[in-house]
Amino acid sequence: GAGVSQSPSNKVTEKGKDVELRCDPISGHTALYWYRQSLGQGLEFLIYFQGNSAPDKSGLPSDRFSAERTGGSVSTLTIQRTQQEDSAVYLCASTTGGPSSYNEQFFGPGTRLTVL
Amino acid sequence: GQSLEQPSEVTAVEGAIVQINCTYQTSGFYGLSWYQQHDGGAPTFLSYNALDGLEETGRFSSFLSRSDSYGYLLLQELQMKDSASYFCAVPGGSQGNLIFGKGTKLSVKP
Repeated sequence: GAGVSQSPSNKVTEKGKDVELRCDPISGHTALYWYRQSLGQGLEFLIYFQGNSAPDKSGLPSDRFSAERTGGSVSTLTIQRTQQEDSAVYLCASTTGGPSSYNEQFFGPGTRLTVL
Repeated sequence: GQSLEQPSEVTAVEGAIVQINCTYQTSGFYGLSWYQQHDGGAPTFLSYNALDGLEETGRFSSFLSRSDSYGYLLLQELQMKDSASYFCAVPGGSQGNLIFGKGTKLSVKP
């Protein structure tokens, strides 16, 4: 079956512009996570969705970052007024939710964002 | 807070055995996971330990000692394709988001 997909795979933007990143999780997976990975670093948790609601937004680094999920499926992460420090790979993961989330999370290939 | 420590780099030769250690500090503990990530690729799940002991999956094994807040990933019969970064991770809370270590870059030499 299809895995987690993300688009675009690469995005180059100018400082101050807004960007929108998309994640399409595995069909039937109710839990969706966004992470950010800076060069040579581990993954940093950004936000979590269970269905369409985001009970945990604690990881969003600033109010320029927002995310939504519609229909319990596709999610978009929006970064407004991008800054150079936003340059990173943005990864999305999905799971069936609940305790299985402690176990295997299925990651998409990521969107590499470069802010000039 | 929660944090994980693992070596930044490990080098080994083809056919050898390598152990990648991970120590963690967490406010609650729900298990230790390991992920593999090739350059430019997505992290992929390798193993999960919720209880003490050794879990074996083919050439890869993972060990956990909850009393020592310590685990390791053991890779046997190393192959060139095992060259990648390996991350240990713990759930950040009841909602399942993962807290990752900074990763160990494994280089396998011929």
